[in-house]
Amino acid sequence: EPEVTQTPSHQVTQMGQEVILRCVPISNHLYFYWYRQILGQKVEFLVSFYNNEISEKSEIFDDQFSVERPDGSNFTLKIRSTKLEDSAMYFCASSGAAGNEKLFFGSGTQLSVL
Amino acid sequence: GDSVTQMEGPVTLSEEAFLTINCTYTATGYPSLFWYVQYPGEGLQLLLKATKADDKGSNKGFEATYRKETTSFHLEKGSVQVSDSAVYFCALSGNQAGTALIFGKGTTLSVSS
Repeated sequence: EPEVTQTPSHQVTQMGQEVILRCVPISNHLYFYWYRQILGQKVEFLVSFYNNEISEKSEIFDDQFSVERPDGSNFTLKIRSTKLEDSAMYFCASSGAAGNEKLFFGSGTQLSVL
Repeated sequence: GDSVTQMEGPVTLSEEAFLTINCTYTATGYPSLFWYVQYPGEGLQLLLKATKADDKGSNKGFEATYRKETTSFHLEKGSVQVSDSAVYFCALSGNQAGTALIFGKGTTLSVSS
């Protein structure tokens, strides 16, 4: 079965540094998402992306966050100046033309901000 | 706003035991309901779904029925296996394409032989 791939699987960074989390969605999918899960808490929606623009975002997704699909295959999440509370597992997902009828998730990037 | 509440874990069972993981939701309109599973070291995978009241989703021996009157979508399996050990997430979404999924906290299931 096709899969969503995320890199790196673990990322450690210093507070205040910029990080870029990378995702390669399934090739014929049209909708792309970022979610995160802080340890012991719910999986939280961050942002959805369709037709080269953000279609929906949550309150978490403030000015420190941005997303990009730079080359038609990668989908990236950038955190401009990381904070301790950004430490979480970040999941990328994609879905086909039917929207979130079925989301395919990557295995996640564990971000640790020190 | 919309939300999902699922039972706290961990749930520890012996092989062949009956499993229930409770999930209730709060939503406006008529959301679709999902159960996702996350096996160790892997991403979230769709386990089953239901898109309207009284629908029953089923997969790999797991079942869940969309109960509008009790706003519930409890996950059940008659006889669990060690390989079912994973984290299970209940989720809902609106029916518009691209609508975000709202997840519960997840319930860890451990099955021993």
